[in-house]
Amino acid sequence: AQTVTQSQPEMSVQEAETVTLSCTYDTSENNYYLFWYKQPPSRQMILVIRQEAYKQQNATENRFSVNFQKAAKSFSLKISDSQLGDTAMYFCAFMKEGGSSNTGKLIFGQGTTLQVKP
Amino acid sequence: DTGVSQNPRHKITKRGQNVTFRCDPISEHNRLYWYRQTLGQGPEFLTYFQNEAQLEKSRLLSDRFSAERPKGSFSTLEIQRTEQGDSAMYLCASSLLAAETQYFGPGTRLLVL
Repeated sequence: AQTVTQSQPEMSVQEAETVTLSCTYDTSENNYYLFWYKQPPSRQMILVIRQEAYKQQNATENRFSVNFQKAAKSFSLKISDSQLGDTAMYFCAFMKEGGSSNTGKLIFGQGTTLQVKP
Repeated sequence: DTGVSQNPRHKITKRGQNVTFRCDPISEHNRLYWYRQTLGQGPEFLTYFQNEAQLEKSRLLSDRFSAERPKGSFSTLEIQRTEQGDSAMYLCASSLLAAETQYFGPGTRLLVL
C-alpha cells in the first residue's frame, strides 16, 4: 500500500520570501504521478503542480517548483516570492500509474498549513 | 464550463437520519470520485465511477453508504442511519481520464448531531 507523509503540520513565511514544503511517500511502484494541491480557507482544492515519475526534470509552474528525488521518495514544493494569496493548506498526493487499469485514486498526505505574513 | 458543483454545501442532521449529497462534474468528464475529509486531515478516497459504472469502493465505505451515477452524469452519495463519526467534508472530483488532473468541487460539510 502507498502512503504519503507530510511532516510539517504548520509553516509560516514572510511575504516575498521563499518557503519549501516537504513530502515523502512510500511505494513499490515504479510508475506513478505526484501532485501538490492547495486548499485555501473555505475554498475548494485546486491543483498547484504535478510530476510524472518517469520524468527526471523537476516540474515548475510560475512561482511553484518541485524537487523530485525518486530514489529518496521525496517530493518537496518550493514557493518563491510568497504572496498573501498563497495562504492555504497544501496537500501532497500520490497516484499509481496503472495503464488501462489506472483507477486515478489519489492518496493524500495529512497536509501542511502555510501562513504567509505581510 | 462552470466547474464541479456540489449540493448542499452544508448539512446538519440528527443521528439515525438519512442524507443524500449531489455532485455535478464537469460535463465532458468520464471519471467521478468521492473523497471524505475530516478536520485537519487530507482527503481519503471513498469510491469512483467511470461513466455510470462504479469501479472501486474503499473499505471506508460501509454498507450504510451508497453512491450512484445514473447515465454517467451527476452522482449522488447517500448515507443511511447517520452516525456522529460520519461528520466530515465530502468532496467530489472529476477528470477526463484516469491520469488527468482531478478538479474538485467545494464539498458538502456534514454535521451529525
